[in-house]
Amino acid sequence: GNSVTQMEGPVTLSEEAFLTINCTYTATGYPSLFWYVQYPGEGLQLLLKATKADDKGSNKGFEATYRKETTSFHLEKGSVQVSDSAVYFCALSDLRDSNYQLIWGAGTKLIIKP
Amino acid sequence: DAGITQSPRHKVTETGTPVTLRCHQTENHRYMYWYRQDPGHGLRLIHYSYGVKDTDKGEVSDGYSVSRSKTEDFLLTLESATSSQTSVYFCAIKESMNTEAFFGQGTRLTVV
Repeated sequence: GNSVTQMEGPVTLSEEAFLTINCTYTATGYPSLFWYVQYPGEGLQLLLKATKADDKGSNKGFEATYRKETTSFHLEKGSVQVSDSAVYFCALSDLRDSNYQLIWGAGTKLIIKP
Repeated sequence: DAGITQSPRHKVTETGTPVTLRCHQTENHRYMYWYRQDPGHGLRLIHYSYGVKDTDKGEVSDGYSVSRSKTEDFLLTLESATSSQTSVYFCAIKESMNTEAFFGQGTRLTVV
């Protein structure tokens, strides 16, 4: 079956550091891949997405590239800010699932210290 | 922002009582989902709907039921609340596979 594995958190970095949050997946079909972010006390919101191999999603300085050969979708940012502190979720949606369910990673908490 | 509203936002209830959470959308999206979020478990799907009166179970459906009599409303009912159902519940809507899911603000439910 489909699954998503994320690196465990919390991840603690200093402001302006480089960020990588690893995400790998298994899928039987042709998934679309997503990164969502959840700020404290709020619901999840889409950060970026990629719908086919080699696509790069980007938003607010974050990037992730859909790597079919390594089944990965790692989230990166060149210089993090305190305001990036949140929980980040990797997810996939598989074309073969007619109900378009999202399969979620466990989430990675990111803490940025000034 | 997508029009999706959950109510209530917070609720405290006693063990054994029925509880209904409401998700209301103004986007006319076909797919609606109920998740629960617990520390260490990420998001777990409870039930989902793929149309009016069309619903199905997710991975943690025991003790929950849902109804969708209109496109815009998706109700989650705990028939007899238990302490293990203390959680934060999120509703989400989705238009199709390649579109994003929009989430409500969540309902924090405490069963005492």
